[in-house]
Amino acid sequence: QSVLTQPPSVSAAPGQKVTISCSGSSSNIGNNYVSWYQQLPGTAPKLLIYENNKRPSGIPDRFSGSKSGTSATLGITGLQTGDEADYYCGTWDSSLSLRYVFGTGTKVTVL
Amino acid sequence: QITLKESGPTLVKPTQTLTLTCTFSGFSLSTSGVGVGWIRQPPGKALEWLALIYWDDDKRYSPSLKSRLTITKDTSKNQVVLTMTNMDPVDTATYYCARGSGYFHPFDYWGQGTLVTVSS
Repeated sequence: QSVLTQPPSVSAAPGQKVTISCSGSSSNIGNNYVSWYQQLPGTAPKLLIYENNKRPSGIPDRFSGSKSGTSATLGITGLQTGDEADYYCGTWDSSLSLRYVFGTGTKVTVL
Repeated sequence: QITLKESGPTLVKPTQTLTLTCTFSGFSLSTSGVGVGWIRQPPGKALEWLALIYWDDDKRYSPSLKSRLTITKDTSKNQVVLTMTNMDPVDTATYYCARGSGYFHPFDYWGQGTLVTVSS
């Protein structure tokens, strides 16, 4: 029932780049900051990007975020095997009552 | 160092009420703008936001689950409690608590999660 749509999976070889899209609407992405979360296998999600393109302390600059209109994108360059994980976008939505929404999630596979 | 940890039953029966406690350290829920929320994840599925309580006792709920959820805080104990009534097998999931870094801000610190199974 997520209102944010992501591709189910993306893959690339080590060292390459992947991008993950997150599509929403004016009630969520269009008017709020987007965050991205990384969930390594068997672990809790971790904040990766906030306010569309900012990285918390300790997150390498191989991870980047951008937003345009009602869509957002996460980019990972210099792909490493340790980047294999599920990635979720998230933001606030005000279509019904104020709520937080997550994307459908994208599995990144390093070939 | 900010930490959060979820606690509660690992198994509940259908129709029962689930009570989960989030115990945190390294920040205070009396600090302006701070909140603590609950998020769940059914096995193999995506994250789903459930509820959030702010420092000023402002509470937000998922519209689809609002009738079943109650979130409260005990600032002196550094705890946030979530209750979910009328549990069903589809509510089987890992339940996470996380710190909300401010109004309209993301969840910046997460607990390890606790798996709750709903089964008779």
